[in-house]
Amino acid sequence: DAKTTQPTSMDCAEGRAANLPCNHSTISGNEYVYWYRQIHSQGPQYIIHGLKNNETNEMASLIITEDRKSSTLILPHATLRDTAVYYCIVRVVGKSTFGDGTTLTVKP
Amino acid sequence: EAGVAQSPRYKIIEKRQSVAFWCNPISGHATLYWYQQILGQGPKLLIQFQNNGVVDDSQLPKDRFSAERLKGVDSTLKIQPAKLEDSAVYLCASSRWTSGVAKNIQYFGAGTRLSVL
Repeated sequence: DAKTTQPTSMDCAEGRAANLPCNHSTISGNEYVYWYRQIHSQGPQYIIHGLKNNETNEMASLIITEDRKSSTLILPHATLRDTAVYYCIVRVVGKSTFGDGTTLTVKP
Repeated sequence: EAGVAQSPRYKIIEKRQSVAFWCNPISGHATLYWYQQILGQGPKLLIQFQNNGVVDDSQLPKDRFSAERLKGVDSTLKIQPAKLEDSAVYLCASSRWTSGVAKNIQYFGAGTRLSVL
């Protein structure tokens, strides 16, 4: 699996957009980008995934650069409940490797 | 649909004792994963099953860890004997098998927190 690089921590004001970057410069053509988050004392929760195109669902938007070497997860209106560790993963079928993620703290 | 069930939620044992964790995946999910998550780190895959066969156990410390998935549904992970460094959260996840594309979203249980004293 391609290695990912994420900032260790980020802060965001409640109600503002949270933009979480991920670098995956060694990604190969058949590897998808996945985002999960882990709220304290819970298992990781799937957020969104994509291959080439930008994606949006009810939780977030995923922006993947044209060269696919980086991506950004966007939480459009962050709430206090979005405080969690966010993991960016790139993988082919079946295998996934979690890094240490970004701790997002949403502040009132 | 019901989520991934794990038990127990917490376990405290002394080093050199044995311990077992149980996982019941989401109904119909052919793939089951066991992860170890040490405090402050991301989950590390220990073993992956496809139905009742092992797909990947390259990071499973086989001298002390074992896992089985009889009948392709429930799974147990065992540690014998436990060491202090085994203190961690053990997460179980499951996913549907989607042949040919990497779109198998993993659904995680709440985990079992193991403390080895």
